[in-house]
Parts: sequence; C-alpha cells; structure tokens
Amino acid sequence: SQQGEEDPQALSIQEGENATMNCSYKTSINNLQWYRQNSGRGLVHLILIRSNEREKHSGRLRVTLDTSKKSSSLLITASRAADTASYFCATDAEDDSGAGSYQLTFGKGTKLSVIP
Amino acid sequence: DTGVSQDPRHKITKRGQNVTFRCDPISEHNRLYWYRQTLGQGPEFLTYFQNEAQLEKSRLLSDRFSAERPKGSFSTLEIQRTEQGDSAMYLCASSLAARGRRYNEQFFGPGTRLTVL
Repeated sequence: SQQGEEDPQALSIQEGENATMNCSYKTSINNLQWYRQNSGRGLVHLILIRSNEREKHSGRLRVTLDTSKKSSSLLITASRAADTASYFCATDAEDDSGAGSYQLTFGKGTKLSVIP
Repeated sequence: DTGVSQDPRHKITKRGQNVTFRCDPISEHNRLYWYRQTLGQGPEFLTYFQNEAQLEKSRLLSDRFSAERPKGSFSTLEIQRTEQGDSAMYLCASSLAARGRRYNEQFFGPGTRLTVL
C-alpha cells in the first residue's frame, strides 16, 4: 500500500521558476527520501532527510521535514527543462537492528513539467 | 558502469507463460530489493534479500512469484503462469546495510517492463 501522498499530482512551470512539491505520510519514520524518475525509466535518488533533521540542501534542491505534521516538501529552485520528470517521496520505517529499514514506501508521485 | 543493472529491459509474453528477470546489484551491496510499479503509481515493495537470505515478502508477492539470490550477488525474479495484471515495471534496488549505519539509500536499476498479452 502507498503511504505517502504527493501534492500536487501534476505541476507545470516555466523554466527558471521554482517548483515545490509536498508529501504527506501516515506512520512514524526513520527517514524520508526523494527520488526522480524520467518517463518509463528507473528511479534516481535525490536526497535523504533523517527524522531528526528539519531541512536539508543539495545543489538546487531544498527538502524540509515536519514530523509533527508528517509532511515533507521538495523545492527545486531555478528549474530547467531537464528537471521534467516524476518526483516521489519514500518513507523508511525504523529498523530494530539499527541497520536501516528494508522497505521504502512510496507515494504516487508529482509529475513536473518545466516548459522551456 | 557500476550501477544496478537489470535484464531484460523489456519483455512481452503471452498469458500463461513463465518469465524470469535478472538483477545485478552494486557489487559491495548486501541488500537487494524488488519493487513493482504500475502506470501512474509509485513503486510497491515486493521482497528483499540480505546476502542470500530472503527476509521479507509482501502480500503482493503471490505464490506464482519466486525470487532467489543464490550466492548473495545477482538475483532472479520468476513469474509463473503470467496474467495480464502482472503487466508492470519491475524494479530492482540495492543498498549497503550494516550495524551502526542507520540510514540506507537504495540505488535503483532501470527496470524491466513486462507486458502480458
């Protein structure tokens, strides 16, 4: 079953604008990860934010996490046509062994279109 | 290329036939995962291995599905008596999990797209 729900389902912006995607989830997590998927292809890992972190940056990406609201956001600044893809959040539950969870639970994704 | 590889990339089969997919993980990774993704949905977990041991199976994995990782390296996913509902992208991922390393990133392969006619 899908735990995360991304919002919006689809987003269309002009090149150079910022894109914000949101993710909500239901259960306690160890960490949350964002992935990108180009049409019909595999997933590319973008960023991981731990449950005790509130914000993380990687290049043009900014991720926030609010565990009290069980939500996360992904901001892509200065978007490019090459950013056109589907973006998924995935939650990673706590593993008792301390070695990290075995299973990611994905949302349905946000389809981002960046118009040149 | 040292990433996760999957073979074949595309498979078209007739209903009732058996199919087998292969995944080669990143060489030092001890965990290997299989996911299924249908159109417009996110990936859904099927099963995972730590080394050669299959440690968890989802309810999505019916008895027509079997996965192996005999030597703790590559893995195969077999679907017997395929049904049209099995049409999907089958994704493999790998990660390095160890004591004291609480956060593991999964690295995905390009997927095998299965079409059952």
